[in-house]
Amino acid sequence: DSGVTQTPKHLITATGQRVTLRCSPRSGDLSVYWYQQSLDQGLQFLIQYYNGEERAKGNILERFSAQQFPDLHSELNLSSLELGDSALYFCASSPSSYLADGYTFGSGTRLTVV
Amino acid sequence: AQKITQTQPGMFVQEKEAVTLDCTYDTSDQSYGLFWYKQPSSGEMIFLIYQGSYDEQNATEGRYSLNFQKARKSANLVISASQLGDSAMYFCAMREGNYGNNRLAFGKGNQVVVIP
Repeated sequence: DSGVTQTPKHLITATGQRVTLRCSPRSGDLSVYWYQQSLDQGLQFLIQYYNGEERAKGNILERFSAQQFPDLHSELNLSSLELGDSALYFCASSPSSYLADGYTFGSGTRLTVV
Repeated sequence: AQKITQTQPGMFVQEKEAVTLDCTYDTSDQSYGLFWYKQPSSGEMIFLIYQGSYDEQNATEGRYSLNFQKARKSANLVISASQLGDSAMYFCAMREGNYGNNRLAFGKGNQVVVIP
């Protein structure tokens, strides 16, 4: 157990729907990151939060949004889902804003859009 | 432009042999960090090793070592004495820039299968 908890582990939903992925970072970690892993795009950085504030944004679609709550857990909201959104979504956390070691990744949420 | 390049095809490695996974990177920053992650078939991402751009010595972590050649912009991972549990995808990643920028750019990965 890495200490980063992602729920749900699997999600199957229809096109056009909206889903919420949840992440609880490792105890003491202030930074949360979201990544998308798909067969064609590989691992892509989506967004980073640090202590409740958005810190960096990557290739995140406008249909996607995220937030980090006061208890430091984070949610990634995906709306108007398309078949191409099917992917493994990872959350990761790190202790501070400076990364000298690797992130700790969660086990991911596998999203299938049908 | 692709920042991390991993082009080796899938590799079969004999148990107890060493294996080298190639990674080249592209950056104009002076300060950056290089990481290797392992992703077994179960899907989780496991951090293996880190090399900072200013580190003069190659990083080592147990059976993992990083062959860092800054002028050639390469950061190859060496796994010594391969074990069956080393069968996985291996990803090279880079953090560019300075304090506060923690996004990682990942390569496409190298598939390794360890055979007994």
